[in-house]
Amino acid sequence: GAVVSQHPSRVICKSGTSVKIECRSLDFQATTMFWYRQFPKKSLMLMATSNEGSKATYEQGVEKDKFLINHASLTLSTLTVTSAHPEDSSFYICSARDPLSAYEQYFGPGTRLTVT
Amino acid sequence: QKEVEQNSGPLSVPEGAIASLNCTYSDRGSQSFFWYRQYSGKSPELIMFIYSNGDKEDGRFTAQLNKASQYVSLLIRDSPPSDSATYLCAVNMGGNNRLAFGKGNQVVVIP
Repeated sequence: GAVVSQHPSRVICKSGTSVKIECRSLDFQATTMFWYRQFPKKSLMLMATSNEGSKATYEQGVEKDKFLINHASLTLSTLTVTSAHPEDSSFYICSARDPLSAYEQYFGPGTRLTVT
Repeated sequence: QKEVEQNSGPLSVPEGAIASLNCTYSDRGSQSFFWYRQYSGKSPELIMFIYSNGDKEDGRFTAQLNKASQYVSLLIRDSPPSDSATYLCAVNMGGNNRLAFGKGNQVVVIP
């Protein structure tokens, strides 16, 4: 299957700083990528849909000015957590839609963010 | 209102037995349904998807969909200990493949 990578896999930052997470589709072009957040022992919550060349679509309750998404190319989407606080500590996972499949999307390995 | 419900608690099954997982969803317009497996600390991996009423079998896994009753289930046969994981039900929320996930069911396969 298709491969999606994320970088970094783990990051620890101080409260008030910003953190950028990269999501790359390695062997296919992804016009649409998705960003999820998962708190411990909770399910994945869709944060936003990242569309190449246009603005991201955020889910209700997700602050677009805090979670900046940029999808500047067909293989890269970035999520920047601005002015991070301890409550932003979570597992952030991206996925990319397979353009050749009506249903499949491929998940990246996730990024564990810890804000101290 | 929760969109995707997975209500049963941790499920313990003996090795080689059948695990049965259920999921209900609220949006009658949903057209495609997914089961993912997630190991602790890892991202989800797709087991199978289903979009037509009835059963769909893929190896040891069988998904069942009943749109009238708004539920989808997953049967896992001949479970080895490596099937111990959290199983997530996901439902397509509409265009562009946006997915709503249930909270998951933890399955523990006992050797």
